[in-house]
Amino acid sequence: SAVISQKPSRDICQRGTSLTIQCQVDSQVTMMFWYRQQPGQSLTLIATANQGSEATYESGFVIDKFPISRPNLTFSTLTVSNMSPEDSSIYLCSAPGTANTGELFFGEGSRLTVL
Amino acid sequence: QKEVEQNSGPLSVPEGAIASLNCTYSDRGSQSFFWYRQYSGKSPELIMSIYSNGDKEDGRFTAQLNKASQYVSLLIRDSQPSDSATYLCAVKRAGRRALTFGSGTRLQVQP
Repeated sequence: SAVISQKPSRDICQRGTSLTIQCQVDSQVTMMFWYRQQPGQSLTLIATANQGSEATYESGFVIDKFPISRPNLTFSTLTVSNMSPEDSSIYLCSAPGTANTGELFFGEGSRLTVL
Repeated sequence: QKEVEQNSGPLSVPEGAIASLNCTYSDRGSQSFFWYRQYSGKSPELIMSIYSNGDKEDGRFTAQLNKASQYVSLLIRDSQPSDSATYLCAVKRAGRRALTFGSGTRLQVQP
């Protein structure tokens, strides 16, 4: 398994501001993944954070809105930029386990409310 | 067609009964399949993984995979009120490291 810590756990933000979410994994992993879970919905992949290269974004998500950093093999950040109420969501960081059998483990999530 | 489909529920079963949760997927190249449990306000928790056709049992949980029918299921025996949660089916598609999730089935176990 993997132990993943995220912060902040929740925040209330004003429209037009930006917030950075931090994610720490207890082991070195090549890839980390950022998902979004809107109220009552399932998980949607935002991007894959690759160590040593640019993040890979899914359709509908762009770097200007969701810049990602991956400075080392255990840490990543996701910034939600120029927030609007539509960005109110839970943002989840995930990483594979040490067994490398395909499963992902999740952080506790960051619940953002944009006013 | 969604990549991973689940009935949203709620699926309501009495305590002690068997709960049967179903999932279909569209990509025949999918290799690995997972079930996650998500309690309200919490993050998803991995409960089962299955990689080959057939059944895989772990305690009260049994995962079933039929690749020909592109169908995955999760059986929960002796359901308990503490099993009440949303169950997410997730698929690892060929060539991808991330998982694709279904919309989840909400299970309610009535005491």
